[in-house]
Amino acid sequence: GESVGLHLPTLSVQEGDNSIINCAYSNSASDYFIWYKQESGKGPQFIIDIRSNMDKRQGQRVTVLLNKTVKHLSLQIAATQPGDSAVYFCAENTDKLIFGTGTRLQVFP
Amino acid sequence: EPEVTQTPSHQVTQMGQEVILRCVPISNHLYFYWYRQILGQKVEFLVSFYNNEISEKSEIFDDQFSVERPDGSNFTLKIRSTKLEDSAMYFCASTRLTKNTEAFFGQGTRLTVV
Repeated sequence: GESVGLHLPTLSVQEGDNSIINCAYSNSASDYFIWYKQESGKGPQFIIDIRSNMDKRQGQRVTVLLNKTVKHLSLQIAATQPGDSAVYFCAENTDKLIFGTGTRLQVFP
Repeated sequence: EPEVTQTPSHQVTQMGQEVILRCVPISNHLYFYWYRQILGQKVEFLVSFYNNEISEKSEIFDDQFSVERPDGSNFTLKIRSTKLEDSAMYFCASTRLTKNTEAFFGQGTRLTVV
């Protein structure tokens, strides 16, 4: 079946460096994607979204890139901070959210 | 900032007992959802609800599960006879529209079945 999945389960970065979290999707008809951040014991928190008519969208310290040709999207976090430590999920939004397995981002000093 | 609220934050129940998880979605939202997250796993869709009826449900959402919007603000998930494998975090979410719109999540209810 169709799925949204992630390449790496854990990403460790040094504080101040940039982080890149990747996600692959298989449904070529997908047209809306969201990145969520989930801190321990909390619900998913919206970070940024992108629609399929775009290939890049920027927020505050975050950028999402969408490559429809290879069905891949990424989340870039600039100047990673300790507070960015969390699990990051990409999700495909059809009439419901289909989540990937998540990448744990660990930020060390 | 408006938020989705869930109660209780943690529920411990004995196997076979009924539990009701409660949610108050954002007031002007029209679509409501329940998701489940087993420890260490991804968030899984359970059910969506619109206009006082179920829009879609997953294979997980079997006859033991039901949802209700008993009044203008609450949205509940009932598990009639809990099983050990129902232990998970249950998240409620709401959206103003359906597809192509941001979903807001509650903080979750941790259900522990013993």
